[in-house]
Amino acid sequence: DTEVTQTPKHLVMGMTNKKSLKCEQHMGHRAMYWYKQKAKKPPELMFVYSYEKLSINESVPSRFSPECPNSSLLNLHLHALQPEDSALYLCASSQGTTHYYEQYFGPGTRLTVT
Amino acid sequence: DAKTTQPNSMESNEEEPVHLPCNHSTISGTDYIHWYRQLPSQGPEYVIHGLTSNVNNRMASLAIAEDRKSSTLILHRATLRDAAVYYCILRGPYTGANSKLTFGKGITLSVRP
Repeated sequence: DTEVTQTPKHLVMGMTNKKSLKCEQHMGHRAMYWYKQKAKKPPELMFVYSYEKLSINESVPSRFSPECPNSSLLNLHLHALQPEDSALYLCASSQGTTHYYEQYFGPGTRLTVT
Repeated sequence: DAKTTQPNSMESNEEEPVHLPCNHSTISGTDYIHWYRQLPSQGPEYVIHGLTSNVNNRMASLAIAEDRKSSTLILHRATLRDAAVYYCILRGPYTGANSKLTFGKGITLSVRP
């Protein structure tokens, strides 16, 4: 099974809401990632978790809060977002963080902030 | 970070070979050349990677110039399903920031039936 699943597929939230995105993989991968992709732009790395510890935060605003409760799960907690945060949020996983390991991406959650 | 340059778009005919170029004139000696593609409405997927020698796998071939300043992704027989954005990415050999996947604009491949 080489699948990364993400829920929900679509999410509409107001600027005062709190919501969470969920990502799951059962490939035994120890690295997990969040990317943000605006329309017609390339994906941009947000966070990297390695062995359930945050290893890279690409200066993401604190209204995005990642969490890795175990090696199979990755969450992204959202609070007080702005309309410009509307984007496709992609989760990925890999066996490790070096170049040897390809990253497997989920289909993404399309987020709209109203 | 070493950068890559790709044309914005390319068109091909179905069942013909496609050569997708990538320039990386500032590549360092330890950078690996990776290719990912993103089909419409999907997340990116790994295609192939290499260091110096040409590489083949079931999806594609990667031809790397002798001076490593450019490379070409070769799809041997394009299908309609190959229509996607193809990203050429340089990754360092170590963990952390060195080996991040940093996507550029990519090249949009269209395949005509």
